[in-house]
Amino acid sequence: DAKTTQPPSMDCAEGRAANLPCNHSTISGNEYVYWYRQIHSQGPQYIIHGLKNNETNEMASLIITEDRKSSTLILPHATLRDTAVYYCIVTVMAAGNKLTFGGGTRVLVKP
Amino acid sequence: NAGVTQTPKFRVLKTGQSMTLLCAQDMNHEYMYWYRQDPGMGLRLIHYSVGEGTTAKGEVPDGYNVSRLKKQNFLLGLESAAPSQTSVYFCASTAVVDVHEQYFGPGTRLTVT
Repeated sequence: DAKTTQPPSMDCAEGRAANLPCNHSTISGNEYVYWYRQIHSQGPQYIIHGLKNNETNEMASLIITEDRKSSTLILPHATLRDTAVYYCIVTVMAAGNKLTFGGGTRVLVKP
Repeated sequence: NAGVTQTPKFRVLKTGQSMTLLCAQDMNHEYMYWYRQDPGMGLRLIHYSVGEGTTAKGEVPDGYNVSRLKKQNFLLGLESAAPSQTSVYFCASTAVVDVHEQYFGPGTRLTVT
């Protein structure tokens, strides 16, 4: 699986958009980009995934650069409940679809 | 649906003791996983299963055994617990038809003294 690099932490103002970057310069053509988050001590929660195209769902948007070497998770209107550790994961959708979690970005949403 | 449940929620073991962690899911998912999370770190895959009766090793399998006798249950065993196995253990499951999303349980906090 390709290695990902994320900033260790970032702050965001409540009500504003939060843009979380992720670098994955060694990504291969058949690897997906996944985002999960983990709210204090709870099990991780799936947010979104993508292969080449930008994706949007009710939680967030995922912007993948044309060369696929980096991506950005966008939380459009951050709330205090979005305070969590966000993990960017790159992996092949093979049998078992195993995920490798790195250190993630600790996001603190401030009032 | 209860989703993914884990039993017990907390446990303290002495070095050398054994125990089994139970993961149950009621979503008819084919794939199931056991992860561990040490303080300040991301999750690491211990073992996983792609179907009833099948298991495979993950990133950190040593010291653990697993069994998947029923589709809805995935058991993680520690035969002789060591302090290095103090961690939070998470179970997850996913469906083949929607393999991109893993559903996680609430975790089991294990301390080995």
